[in-house]
Amino acid sequence: EPEVTQTPSHQVTQMGQEVILRCVPISNHLYFYWYRQILGQKVEFLVSFYNNEISEKSEIFDDQFSVERPDGSNFTLKIRSTKLEDSAMYFCASTRESSYNSPLHFGNGTRLTVT
Amino acid sequence: KNEVEQSPQNLTAQEGEFITINCSYSVGISALHWLQQHPGGGIVSLFMLSSGKKKHGRLIATINIQEKHSSLHITASHPRDSAVYICAVWGGADGLTFGKGTHLIIQP
Repeated sequence: EPEVTQTPSHQVTQMGQEVILRCVPISNHLYFYWYRQILGQKVEFLVSFYNNEISEKSEIFDDQFSVERPDGSNFTLKIRSTKLEDSAMYFCASTRESSYNSPLHFGNGTRLTVT
Repeated sequence: KNEVEQSPQNLTAQEGEFITINCSYSVGISALHWLQQHPGGGIVSLFMLSSGKKKHGRLIATINIQEKHSSLHITASHPRDSAVYICAVWGGADGLTFGKGTHLIIQP
């Protein structure tokens, strides 16, 4: 069965550095999402992406964050200048249709540790 | 903004028991998702519901739109069902709003 893949599985970076988290959604899916989960807390929505543009974003998704689909297969999340509080598990997900009528397919996540 | 409450927060049961996990939300929704998060962190979608009831194997999910409530049931529970079960509701521009999850442990 097709899967959403995320790389790397674990990223350690120093405060202030830029990181790029990568995701390859399922090939015939049209909607893409990033979520994060701070250790011990609930999953939070960051951003949704459709038709090469952001369709929704949460209050968390400030100017430090950006998303891109550079080549038709990869979907990336960039954090420009990481802060300690950005340490979390970041999940990518994709759906064939919008998630109000289509099940989500999650990647295994990237654990980001900012030191 | 939708508030999603799950109960119980933690549940320990014996193998074979019938399990019920509840989810309530504050604002009317288009769809509700039940997700399973394994100890390693990976998340798997179990159900997406907008009305009624769905069944997959030993798992059953129901939703009552008028009461803003959903339940996830596990019949003949097994230790491999041990995981965190998360309810998430679709809120349009807010994307998905997640509950805190129910930590389920099934003891042999």
